[in-house]
Amino acid sequence: QVQLVQSGAEVKKPGASVKVSCKASGYTFTSYGISWVRQAPGQGLEWMGWISAYNGNTNYAQKLQGRVTMTTDTSTSTAYMELRSLRSDDTAVYYCAREVVVWRNLDYWGQGTLVTVSS
Amino acid sequence: DIQMTQSPSSLSASVGDRVTITCRASQSISDFLNWYQQKPGKGPKLLIFAASSLQSGVPSRFSGSGSETDFTLTISNLQPEDFATYYCQQSYSIPFTFGPGTKVDIK
Repeated sequence: QVQLVQSGAEVKKPGASVKVSCKASGYTFTSYGISWVRQAPGQGLEWMGWISAYNGNTNYAQKLQGRVTMTTDTSTSTAYMELRSLRSDDTAVYYCAREVVVWRNLDYWGQGTLVTVSS
Repeated sequence: DIQMTQSPSSLSASVGDRVTITCRASQSISDFLNWYQQKPGKGPKLLIFAASSLQSGVPSRFSGSGSETDFTLTISNLQPEDFATYYCQQSYSIPFTFGPGTKVDIK
């Protein structure tokens, strides 16, 4: 069965970086994209960006441009999301999700990773 | 960026009710519209994609309709496990924006 398993919770100081991993199993990793979505406490969902697991192409939300990098390791079927220069408003649960080609819907989601930014 | 709005922001309903949630896009998105359900402390779950296609494994009491800018999610015969927050998302144009959500709780 399809599974996306994310790395554990992180606590970071302002200005630091965080790298969240998302290990996929149960499907051909390179046949789908991986999107990253975050959710601040008590808030809605925010699309952060997407990476093609086939060729590594990326698209990022403009507000995160320059601070976020998404990568994949096809040898381990793992996607990564690194966010730099962390601020308190980056405190959120970060989700990875499998993106389906054509309709680009997100059909399987990871369990979420809480990133807390606090001095 | 395409802005997504939802109405209502919250509603109270009873088991067995028929519930309708509306989602509107700030410009035409054809039928690149997805609906997700999220329960407290859990990740979102895909219900509907391409405006009206039911995701595999999702009960048939969930249905979606609409195109261009106006879309609807309908839950017929509301069940206890359906009390949750529902989000629409457009996947027509990057960034793939979400609506603000509609919380469905028990009357």
